[in-house]
Amino acid sequence: EAQVTQNPRYLITVTGKKLTVTCSQNMNHEYMSWYRQDPGLGLRQIYYSMNVEVTDKGDVPEGYKVSRKEKRNFPLILESPSPNQTSLYFCASKYTGTRSSPLHFGNGTRLTVT
Amino acid sequence: EDKVVQSPLSLVVHEGDTVTLNCSYEVTNFRSLLWYKQEKKAPTFLFMLTSSGIEKKSGRLSSILDKKELFSILNITATQTGDSAVYLCAYFGNEKLTFGTGTRLTIIP
Repeated sequence: EAQVTQNPRYLITVTGKKLTVTCSQNMNHEYMSWYRQDPGLGLRQIYYSMNVEVTDKGDVPEGYKVSRKEKRNFPLILESPSPNQTSLYFCASKYTGTRSSPLHFGNGTRLTVT
Repeated sequence: EDKVVQSPLSLVVHEGDTVTLNCSYEVTNFRSLLWYKQEKKAPTFLFMLTSSGIEKKSGRLSSILDKKELFSILNITATQTGDSAVYLCAYFGNEKLTFGTGTRLTIIP
């Protein structure tokens, strides 16, 4: 089944304790991206990657890191989480060939930083 | 700054009614406009529109894009309780999907 898989689904942590949210897709998509969703603010892009070893900042990159060492994986790293990073996070991927294609989302990771 | 504005913010109708959701956008490098449905989990894809005036239709749902006037609408006819969700409009340009804040649709049985 074609899908984007995020882990964990739920995470509660404390301020300053480094964490990684994993994201993997099995559709051979070149493009991958991370979003956070907050009430009243909608979905906002954190980082995106056009292909392996190519990453760039989105609208809200502060406090986050990403890497794209393999085509299928795009982990999101919070080196020193803070309470304002409590949010619902989505990983997504898409094909970037000559035809337009929609973004496919993972099931989300709900992060709480205390 | 690129932005997407959806209206109304919320809508409550009775089962069987027809609804129209609106999306207007201001972008610098438009490539496509997308509609998603979000229930309690990840957004699920509904439509993608890339050409002006093209209508996409799937069952009771349809959407049209007006690139000249910079808006799109999503229509749902004969609504059912399973249509209750947040409907998100987004455009893809400058290598990212920019979302509106959504319209929360509630269908009363």
